[in-house]
Amino acid sequence: AQKVTQAQTEISVVEKEDVTLDCVYETRDTTYYLFWYKQPPSGELVFLIRRNSFDEQNEISGRYSWNFQKSTSSFNFTITASQVVDSAVYFCALSEVAGNAGNMLTFGGGTRLMVKP
Amino acid sequence: DTGVSQNPRHKITKRGQNVTFRCDPISEHNRLYWYRQTLGQGPEFLTYFQNEAQLEKSRLLSDRFSAERPKGSFSTLEIQRTEQGDSAMYLCASRPSGWDRSSWIYGYTFGSGTRLTVV
Repeated sequence: AQKVTQAQTEISVVEKEDVTLDCVYETRDTTYYLFWYKQPPSGELVFLIRRNSFDEQNEISGRYSWNFQKSTSSFNFTITASQVVDSAVYFCALSEVAGNAGNMLTFGGGTRLMVKP
Repeated sequence: DTGVSQNPRHKITKRGQNVTFRCDPISEHNRLYWYRQTLGQGPEFLTYFQNEAQLEKSRLLSDRFSAERPKGSFSTLEIQRTEQGDSAMYLCASRPSGWDRSSWIYGYTFGSGTRLTVV
């Protein structure tokens, strides 16, 4: 069965520090999708990125970057020069392809990031 | 289209009462999902619809839970005889079906959720 682990339950940094949120996943499927979502205090889940299992190219979007390593089943998320507005709970999620016709997401437990001014 | 809308935002109910939540998805999305998120945890899948058909239900969805999506538009989630363990955030999401790149580029679109407190 699929599983997503976010070992860091809470991280606190000072503004302008870089911070990396870890995500480790388990799946027996060879084709799958990985996601990161941000959940601000308002509650909605905001989509940040989707990565395919067959595409290990890392990605950078502004201050955000993602490091996908299939060999270690990890999909880590780094925020460079953090800002107070980055404070939120961040979720990593997995969607297997085989046996998952509905494309349901399996979420990790989330990492609460607090960025202090 | 303003995204996925959920009502009410908050609901406080007494144990044993029935409650109903509503989700209005993005109009062109034929898939609609319900997830439950308890405090300090990640969302967990409950059920999903393709158009009006309910295609899968999680074992988390006990007999006291029922979901509908008449005419393949909005959806309702009803909980009968609520228990304190039902206290959670109930999230709705929608997306187009299919595996083309455009439908997956932005993943799901989630609503802001309905926070249920059973006292």
